[in-house]
Amino acid sequence: AQRVTQPEKLLSVFKGAPVELKCNYSYSGSPELFWYVQYSRQRLQLLLRHISRESIKGFTADLNKGETSFHLKKPFAQEEDSAMYYCALTGTASKLTFGTGTRLQVTL
Amino acid sequence: DTEVTQTPKHLVMGMTNKKSLKCEQHMGHRAMYWYKQKAKKPPELMFVYSYEKLSINESVPSRFSPECPNSSLLNLHLHALQPEDSALYLCASSSVFGRAGNTIYFGEGSWLTVV
Repeated sequence: AQRVTQPEKLLSVFKGAPVELKCNYSYSGSPELFWYVQYSRQRLQLLLRHISRESIKGFTADLNKGETSFHLKKPFAQEEDSAMYYCALTGTASKLTFGTGTRLQVTL
Repeated sequence: DTEVTQTPKHLVMGMTNKKSLKCEQHMGHRAMYWYKQKAKKPPELMFVYSYEKLSINESVPSRFSPECPNSSLLNLHLHALQPEDSALYLCASSSVFGRAGNTIYFGEGSWLTVV
């Protein structure tokens, strides 16, 4: 079975502070990990995926197979980063499984 | 065009009604999906179509009936729904199903209320 855990429902940070959204996964094979973001009143959209090893909007995420984690990080939070963030995994039968999501709130 | 378009955006239906949700994409994708999202919950996979054939049905009740008339269209037919079926229904697509590095694009969703 595949599972994604996001322990924080809400993460509130000040503008300019570092951000780390935690994601842990459970999967016996080699998973593909993704971060999706949903801004207010907008569609769910892909933020980044581990195989690309890219930085989008200043966010990065590194797959740590030893700790089975894929935490999302940004050194300096911006107001426009406020949104719902979902960590997701593709494993068994290529099905995309989402974590419960973390709402990031960036305040002045 | 990198959009998945869903209609209607909002739908209110009675428990005896028959209605349909529609989804369209013109990205040439051959995999299309239906997800259900309850309030403050993550999306949950319902169905996957690959090359217009149903590949995955996540044990969804038969009152939800998917249809893929062609590679660009995906419908979800609704009949005899229950109030607990009220949710946001998301359509998504990707170039193919089951390939590494596949990006799934989501529509804005259809808000369904069953009364």
